[in-house]
Amino acid sequence: DAKTTQPTSMDCAEGRAANLPCNHSTISGNEYVYWYRQIHSQGPQYIIHGLKNNETNEMASLIITEDRKSSTLILPHATLRDTAVYYCIVRVAGGSQGNLIFGKGTKLSVKP
Amino acid sequence: DARVTQTPRDKVTEMGQEVTMRCQPILGHNTVFWYRQTMMQGLELLAYFRNRAPLDDSGMPKDRFSAEMPDATLATLKIQPSEPRDSAVYFCASGLVASNEQFFGPGTRLTVL
Repeated sequence: DAKTTQPTSMDCAEGRAANLPCNHSTISGNEYVYWYRQIHSQGPQYIIHGLKNNETNEMASLIITEDRKSSTLILPHATLRDTAVYYCIVRVAGGSQGNLIFGKGTKLSVKP
Repeated sequence: DARVTQTPRDKVTEMGQEVTMRCQPILGHNTVFWYRQTMMQGLELLAYFRNRAPLDDSGMPKDRFSAEMPDATLATLKIQPSEPRDSAVYFCASGLVASNEQFFGPGTRLTVL
């Protein structure tokens, strides 16, 4: 079973920030939070990951609460191309624990 | 722009036929994953290779599925005999052992009639 809980769907207006929440209350100390997304008819795409500090890259920002039991993925200026299913995944970093366990994800619809 | 490639992109076959799906991981990557995606089950890991050796294939039905890496540039997933319940999109992904990122291919859409 996936270790994360996400809303089934969300809407966001084009140009606005999209804030996608994820609960992971049973996360272990050595587990990271990863975000992937899957645009329709494509393979999943890595977005960002973090352990306990907030992270930012060219795609998004990741805010992790101090107790690490939840996090939020932020797309600062959503575009129509950001419409996708977003998956929040917790796992130990590196290849020794290789597989990603995908839950249902959040279907984000960016509207004009 | 390095990408994972998969062939064929679409495959329609009849029940009982053998199906072979191929994946070319990104050059230099030493981990390869096979996932299956259906509406009912979502994305599931089937098999995982590191340095061409199978590390985990517990998600794969052993009686009909087999996964191999004949060399570092080719991974194969074979179904024999295929059944209608095998209809799904099969994704291959590759990465580096020490990396946090898996790169997914475009998938093979399999339909078994």
